[in-house]
Amino acid sequence: EPEVTQTPSHQVTQMGQEVILRCVPISNHLYFYWYRQILGQKVEFLVSFYNNEISEKSEIFDDQFSVERPDGSNFTLKIRSTKLEDSAMYFCASSYPDLGQYFGPGTRLTVT
Amino acid sequence: AQTVTQSQPEMSVQEAETVTLSCTYDTSESDYYLFWYKQPPSRQMILVIRQEAYKQQNATENRFSVNFQKAAKSFSLKISDSQLGDAAMYFCALNDYKLSFGAGTTVTVRA
Repeated sequence: EPEVTQTPSHQVTQMGQEVILRCVPISNHLYFYWYRQILGQKVEFLVSFYNNEISEKSEIFDDQFSVERPDGSNFTLKIRSTKLEDSAMYFCASSYPDLGQYFGPGTRLTVT
Repeated sequence: AQTVTQSQPEMSVQEAETVTLSCTYDTSESDYYLFWYKQPPSRQMILVIRQEAYKQQNATENRFSVNFQKAAKSFSLKISDSQLGDAAMYFCALNDYKLSFGAGTTVTVRA
């Protein structure tokens, strides 16, 4: 069964450093998303991406964040200058219209 | 704005018994989708079941079923014949252009 994959599974970085989180969505899906979950809290929407552009973004997704789909398979989330409060689990998800979003296993980001 | 409310932080069920998780939501849309996701300790988010708002028939997936009451904006999940592997956090979610999640319900299964 096709699945969303994410790398790395765990990333440790120092405050102020740039990180890139990578995702490979399910191949025939058209919509791509990033969510984050701070430990013990609910899952929060960051951004959605369709047709090679951002379709929606939340107030969390400020100028420090960017997304790209550099080729036909990868979907990346970049955080330019990480802060302590960026420590969270980051989930990539993809969907075909209206069939539910399928999540990757997540990347645990720790900012020290 | 969309909101999703799960009023039960924790539920406990005996193995082989049935447990029902509550969810209420608010949206101004007439056409939308509702989902239940399971998050085990691994923190993977697993899609359990989906319901289309324009369908009156309640969705069922094996031991999982929903009671969808559109007028009341209620979407509960019933887990029948509970198994130890069902122990997890369960999130209700509402889909417009993004998923809005509830705070989650932790389900514990007693052997």
